[in-house]
Amino acid sequence: NAGVTQTPKFRILKIGQSMTLQCTQDMNHNYMYWYRQDPGMGLKLIYYSVGAGITDKGEVPNGYNVSRSTTEDFPLRLELAAPSQTSVYFCASSRLGEGSNQPQHFGDGTRLSIL
Amino acid sequence: DQQVKQNSPSLSVQEGRISILNCDYTNSMFDYFLWYKKYPAEGPTFLISISSIKDKNEDGRFTVFLNKSAKHLSLHIVPSQPGDSAVYFCAPLIMNYGGSQGNLIFGKGTKLSVKP
Repeated sequence: NAGVTQTPKFRILKIGQSMTLQCTQDMNHNYMYWYRQDPGMGLKLIYYSVGAGITDKGEVPNGYNVSRSTTEDFPLRLELAAPSQTSVYFCASSRLGEGSNQPQHFGDGTRLSIL
Repeated sequence: DQQVKQNSPSLSVQEGRISILNCDYTNSMFDYFLWYKKYPAEGPTFLISISSIKDKNEDGRFTVFLNKSAKHLSLHIVPSQPGDSAVYFCAPLIMNYGGSQGNLIFGKGTKLSVKP
């Protein structure tokens, strides 16, 4: 079972460069999420999607963009990389809930450094 | 302003003993409370959860207790094993979209070390 797959695992960017973090899931989950985790902190929600074509902002969306053209894929775009975006990025997915707490399944993260 | 506080950054316990991880929250609108476990270089994995209408949920060695009046929950691990050494995140959930989807609010985590 692949689950949630994130690529790349590591990346170093220069200030001002752009890149796309890839995330794909093979569990046919409706919901997908992007988080960032800074050192010593909990995960903070960047963007989420409740289905193909529908995205919404989380707690820390500035400097990022997302799209959801398919159920499987939820890429995260950084247009102008800044040092403050140095972090570990996690993608997650979950099933359609019915008022229940369907747990989110996480990928192993992308460690991104902006220099 | 932190909605979720895990005030102990680390906890060290002897193998076989009980581990108690604590979490305090401020938002009374949370619908569920989840605990995630994270090993280095891996993503968090779901461990156990509790609904806001319950006060206890048990799954094998793991039990979560919820005290709504005190806005406090705790995760008990009995007996603790070296493989339990990881970072544990408390993550309350607020439901959106008519109750079909929820967003997690993560605490900063507590690093548990279980010594043989």
